[in-house]
Amino acid sequence: GEDVEQSLFLSVREGDSSVINCTYTDSSSTYLYWYKQEPGAGLQLLTYIFSNMDMKQDQRLTVLLNKKDKHLSLRIADTQTGDSAIYFCAESKAAGNKLTFGGGTRVLVKP
Amino acid sequence: NAGVTQTPKFQVLKTGQSMTLQCAQDMNHEYMSWYRQDPGMGLRLIHYSVGAGITDQGEVPNGYNVSRSTTEDFPLRLLSAAPSQTSVYFCASRLTGRSGETQYFGPGTRLLVL
Repeated sequence: GEDVEQSLFLSVREGDSSVINCTYTDSSSTYLYWYKQEPGAGLQLLTYIFSNMDMKQDQRLTVLLNKKDKHLSLRIADTQTGDSAIYFCAESKAAGNKLTFGGGTRVLVKP
Repeated sequence: NAGVTQTPKFQVLKTGQSMTLQCAQDMNHEYMSWYRQDPGMGLRLIHYSVGAGITDQGEVPNGYNVSRSTTEDFPLRLLSAAPSQTSVYFCASRLTGRSGETQYFGPGTRLLVL
């Protein structure tokens, strides 16, 4: 079956880079997503990448995909206190359909 | 656009009661879905719809019904609430176009079943 795994917690100093990692098992995953969830709120789609890409950059966010190892990462440059949140990765076989989520990584940014 | 709206924000039910969680979007998105989020876990798909009149089951559909009579509304019904349905429920909508994919999640409904 499909499985998406993330580490539970990441602590980072303000101004440093954060790297959040995610692994998945389904080799037919076509779309891979990163979401941000702030306390008491819904999920916000941050970025996504197609499986035929190995990197995507969007301002402070860089997504790296290693399809061979089924490993996805999200790098946040110049991490700010407002980046403190839970980050979820997810995968699907078609755009936005039947998303399978990881358990989330709680990121704490220390001043 | 108001985005995706959900009502109510909070609800307490007794075991066996039924209720409907409302979800609406005003962006003319064809695809809508319902997820539940349990502590320490990611979201799990309950039901989804690819357009008005079309619905299908997700990963955890048991105990829930949906309907999609209009593009805007996608209500989720709990037929006979059970304590295992205590969770936070999120509705989402999606649009895929030439410029890429857009997804919106509602703020969630927190449900407690006693």
